Amino acid sequence: NAGVTQTPKFQVLKTGQSMTLQCAQDMNHNSMYWYRQDPGMGLRLIYYSASEGTTDKGEVPNGYNVSRLNKREFSLRLESAAPSQTSVYFCASTKLAGANTGELFFGEGSRLTVL
Amino acid sequence: SQQGEEDPQALSIQEGENATMNCSYKTSINNLQWYRQNSGRGLVHLILIRSNEREKHSGRLRVTLDTSKKSSSLLITASRAADTASYFCATSDTGGFKTIFGAGTRLFVKA
Repeated sequence: NAGVTQTPKFQVLKTGQSMTLQCAQDMNHNSMYWYRQDPGMGLRLIYYSASEGTTDKGEVPNGYNVSRLNKREFSLRLESAAPSQTSVYFCASTKLAGANTGELFFGEGSRLTVL
Repeated sequence: SQQGEEDPQALSIQEGENATMNCSYKTSINNLQWYRQNSGRGLVHLILIRSNEREKHSGRLRVTLDTSKKSSSLLITASRAADTASYFCATSDTGGFKTIFGAGTRLFVKA
């Protein structure tokens, strides 16, 4: 049981390049999330998907797009990378959202550097 | 802006001592959760307390919640060197779809 799997684990981009971070969970969870973590800032929510077919903006959505491809997969796309997007990105999932929101399960992170 | 704010930002204690971390938040919540993050790793869930609960225990962990003060505390008793990590509180809003994290407390337990 792999849990939440993120790819790639490391990536270096040049300013203006695009890339997609992939996330997949095998726990049959309904809700999925993308966070970024910068030093001293904790985690900030970029986008989330409460259920298959829906996506919503979080705290810091600018410069990002997401796709909930199916129940298992939730991808994060940077269309034109900027140095300010240098960060560690975490994908998470949870079985239920709404009134019964429970614990989030996290991937190991994707470390992105934009030069 | 972030919902939860932890205090202190960093804490250094001796093995065997208790560690207390506090979290304050701004808006009404459905529940509050605590997570642990070892250096370079993903976050791991520790404990969840719902808005209608005041205290919860799990092993050496004790969490309290005061909704009137919009605050929570995490107590780790008889700390061990292996408890060295960053600890984050996270709140789910009353709609329940957004889980927002604080900046975290970095705990260092000296052997």
